[in-house]
Amino acid sequence: ETGVTQTPRHLVMGMTNKKSLKCEQHLGHNAMYWYKQSAKKPLELMFVYSLEERVENNSVPSRFSPECPNSSHLFLHLHTLQPEDSALYLCASSLLGWGNTEAFFGQGTRLTVV
Amino acid sequence: KNEVEQSPQNLTAQEGEFITINCSYSVGISALHWLQQHPGGGIVSLFMLSSGKKKHGRLIATINIQEKHSSLHITASHPRDSAVYICAVRETSGSRLTFGEGTQLTVNP
Repeated sequence: ETGVTQTPRHLVMGMTNKKSLKCEQHLGHNAMYWYKQSAKKPLELMFVYSLEERVENNSVPSRFSPECPNSSHLFLHLHTLQPEDSALYLCASSLLGWGNTEAFFGQGTRLTVV
Repeated sequence: KNEVEQSPQNLTAQEGEFITINCSYSVGISALHWLQQHPGGGIVSLFMLSSGKKKHGRLIATINIQEKHSSLHITASHPRDSAVYICAVRETSGSRLTFGEGTQLTVNP
């Protein structure tokens, strides 16, 4: 248990569905991240929120829409996804400036788009 | 070519063996991280290094800044060490982390 909780753990959705992934941390961290992990590929950074403001959007398609209502919660809203979006989606949190501090990851949501 | 290269990609060992996983990078860095990812997907941070060596239990991580190389060692390996080990670096030129592709370790009883 890392202190970062992601729900759901598994999600199967059709290409026309709308769903949301949720991430929650009560570690007092003020930066939160969404990562995508596809098979046989390195982790890909999608979004970074720092003090509840989006500070990085790593050229992610608009069918992925993040939301950070407060420093403890992070959402990833999904709509009209494609089969190639099937992957493990990981949330992480850290004190500001991860890279020079440790980050804590959630267990991930295994997403399958059919 | 990825800026962070790990070797080997896959490693199978017998319980009790000494294991080494290597990470080489091509950019200037301010910190290097070793992460562990279990089959369920969750990732745990093992070490953060900027110089020298760190030890935690049976795990040892070293870094050579001049040679742009880090190693993760596991002594007296155990089947529960089976996981993917990921190296990540924070470049001095930016705030982003760059990840290696990971090393899949399997320790057989």
